[in-house]
Amino acid sequence: NAGVTQTPKFRVLKTGQSMTLLCAQDMNHEYMYWYRQDPGMGLRLIHYSVGEGTTAKGEVPDGYNVSRLKKQNFLLGLESAAPSQTSVYFCASRGTSGGLLATQYFGPGTRLTVL
Amino acid sequence: AQKVTQAQTEISVVEKEDVTLDCVYETRDTTYYLFWYKQPPSGELVFLIRRNSFDEQNEISGRYSWNFQKSTSSFNFTITASQVVDSAVYFCALSEASGTYKYIFGTGTRLKVLA
Repeated sequence: NAGVTQTPKFRVLKTGQSMTLLCAQDMNHEYMYWYRQDPGMGLRLIHYSVGEGTTAKGEVPDGYNVSRLKKQNFLLGLESAAPSQTSVYFCASRGTSGGLLATQYFGPGTRLTVL
Repeated sequence: AQKVTQAQTEISVVEKEDVTLDCVYETRDTTYYLFWYKQPPSGELVFLIRRNSFDEQNEISGRYSWNFQKSTSSFNFTITASQVVDSAVYFCALSEASGTYKYIFGTGTRLKVLA
């Protein structure tokens, strides 16, 4: 049981390049989330999904797209990277039952630098 | 609107001292959840505790204890006899108790425990 995994762990992009971050969970969770963490700002929600085939915008969605084609995977895409997207990205998932309902479990993070 | 305030940006203590990390929240919901997460220097987010709004009992887990007071909208975290391994950034988060269960994070408190 790996929990929540993220690929890649580190990435450096040039302005204008595109990339996709992959989040995978093996806990059969319905809900998945993408956050970004910037110094002094805590974590902010980018997009989230309440189930396979669904996505919705969070607090800071501009410049990002997401897809949830399979229940266990949640992809975050940057179509044209900008230096302002330099950040650490965290994925999280949450189940819909059990003793720790509402608790999100986080992946290890992806550190992205856009030059 | 929901908001979480962690006014202490950074705290330094000497090993074996007790330390309290403050968390003040704002919400109009009558039912909600509060969380604490630890982010050690390695970068991952480690779940520490979840508290729902109907449960105001204080909780103790080893050297960690949490004080939840609805009257002051606070959910403070105390580490007793701090150790160097407690050095980390600690985040407080607030979640709605239905729907998408999105988190609102505080900006975090960096705790440095000096040997």
